Amino acid sequence: SSELTQSPAVSVALGQTVRITCQGDTLRDYYAGWYQQKPGQAPVRVMYGKDDRPSGIPDRFSGSRSGNTFALTITGTQAEDEAVYYCKSRDSGGNFLFGGGTKVTVL
Amino acid sequence: QVHLQESGPGLVKPSQNLSLTCTVSGVSINSGGYLWNWIRQHPGKGLEWLGYINYRGSIFYNPSLKSRLIISMDASKKQYSLNLTSLTDADTAVYYCVRGEGYYYSLDVWGQGTAVTVAS
Repeated sequence: SSELTQSPAVSVALGQTVRITCQGDTLRDYYAGWYQQKPGQAPVRVMYGKDDRPSGIPDRFSGSRSGNTFALTITGTQAEDEAVYYCKSRDSGGNFLFGGGTKVTVL
Repeated sequence: QVHLQESGPGLVKPSQNLSLTCTVSGVSINSGGYLWNWIRQHPGKGLEWLGYINYRGSIFYNPSLKSRLIISMDASKKQYSLNLTSLTDADTAVYYCVRGEGYYYSLDVWGQGTAVTVAS
């Protein structure tokens, strides 16, 4: 099916590591990208492709892939990383898909 | 620096049509390799892809909106547009214009978004 599944929420202690996942059958064929959205702001791309980080995104953000699951890992989470993270991919028909988003709370 | 800016009405009555325009600066809108997207976000909800157009004029629509949605481009004005018909309150959302780039067509440049409320 053409759906991307994310856990709704996760919490992480300041300075610790958090892993967010995105699961879907289409991810066996297509890459996922990750987008960070803070309240009242437009989303920002934080990861794309195999493990490509846009200019300006800290290297504490990393990506990985296994089977039908993509993961975004934040190592040494900072307070400013608190946000909702969305994965995005595509299906075989060329349509783009978003996951439901994961709210990351930094404790 | 590439910049996208949405414009359009903030309030639309039910059953009417919505027209939004995205003005692109810093890059040629008819350059190859880019997809020009519309994405919306209902209040307090996630992101919903609406559709995109490329420099050749090829257009893809979200199947759930295909019957009500038209996306077009005016390269001479460096703009692309969204026209959504027969609005209901379910179309109340923030609408973003967004560039997709590269092999993965990742969404690298986002407009600030424009809030649209459907109400009488």
